[in-house]
Amino acid sequence: QITLKESGPTLVKPTQTLTLTCTFSGFSLSTSGVGVGWIRQPPGKALEWLALIYWDDDKRYSPSLKSRLTITKDTSKNQVVLTMTNVDPMDTATYYCVHRPRGSRRFDPWGQGTLVTVSS
Amino acid sequence: QSALTQPASVSGSPGQSITISCTGTSSDVGGYNYVSWFQHHPGKAPKLMIYDVNNRPSGVSNRFSGSKSGNTASLTISGLQAEDEADYFCSSYTTTSTVFGTGTKVTVL
Repeated sequence: QITLKESGPTLVKPTQTLTLTCTFSGFSLSTSGVGVGWIRQPPGKALEWLALIYWDDDKRYSPSLKSRLTITKDTSKNQVVLTMTNVDPMDTATYYCVHRPRGSRRFDPWGQGTLVTVSS
Repeated sequence: QSALTQPASVSGSPGQSITISCTGTSSDVGGYNYVSWFQHHPGKAPKLMIYDVNNRPSGVSNRFSGSKSGNTASLTISGLQAEDEADYFCSSYTTTSTVFGTGTKVTVL
C-alpha cells in the first residue's frame, strides 16, 4: 500500500522560504519511471500543480512558479522536499504530495495535505 | 495556464445519474487522452476515480465512468449514492504541466 504524508510549518511569514517534506512508503523513488510531485489548493480556489521529480532526478516545475521552487529527493529516506522562496499571502494553501506511477500521467495516491498560512 | 472549467455544483437524487463536465482547450483536454477525475471529501486525501479519460483504478465502483469529446471531458456517476456527495475535480496532462479543473460540488438530495 502506497502512502504519502506531508510535513512542514503551518505558519510562514511573507518573504521567508517555505520548506515542505513528503515522506512516503510502499514504493521506491529509485524504481524506473516513478515520480513524486506537489500540488496545492488555495482556499476556495482550484488546484495548482507545482513540481514533479522522477526516479532519475529529472525535475519538472510549473512555468509560472519555476523561479521560486526547488524539488529534491532523498531516496534512502523515502522523502521528497519542496522549497518555495519569497512566500506571499497568496501562497496560503493546502499543499499535497502525490505519487506518479511508473509510465503513467496520473497522480495516485495523494497525501492528506498540509495547510500552510503565509501571514505576518 | 488557465484552470479547466467545471460547473460549480451538480445535484441529483439517490439512484439517478449525473454528469460533470470539464472544458479545456486543444492544448490540454483536447490534445491528450490523459484526463483524470478525483473525488475529494473535505479533510481527506483526494481519490483518483478515473484516469486516461475512461479508465477506472482497481477498487473504484463501475458506477463511475469517463468520456471525452473534443475539448470537453465528462464524468458520469450512475446510481447516485449518499456516499458520492463530495467535491470532484478533473485534471489534464500537458507537455509543460498538469492543469486542474475549478471543481464541482456534488450534492445528493
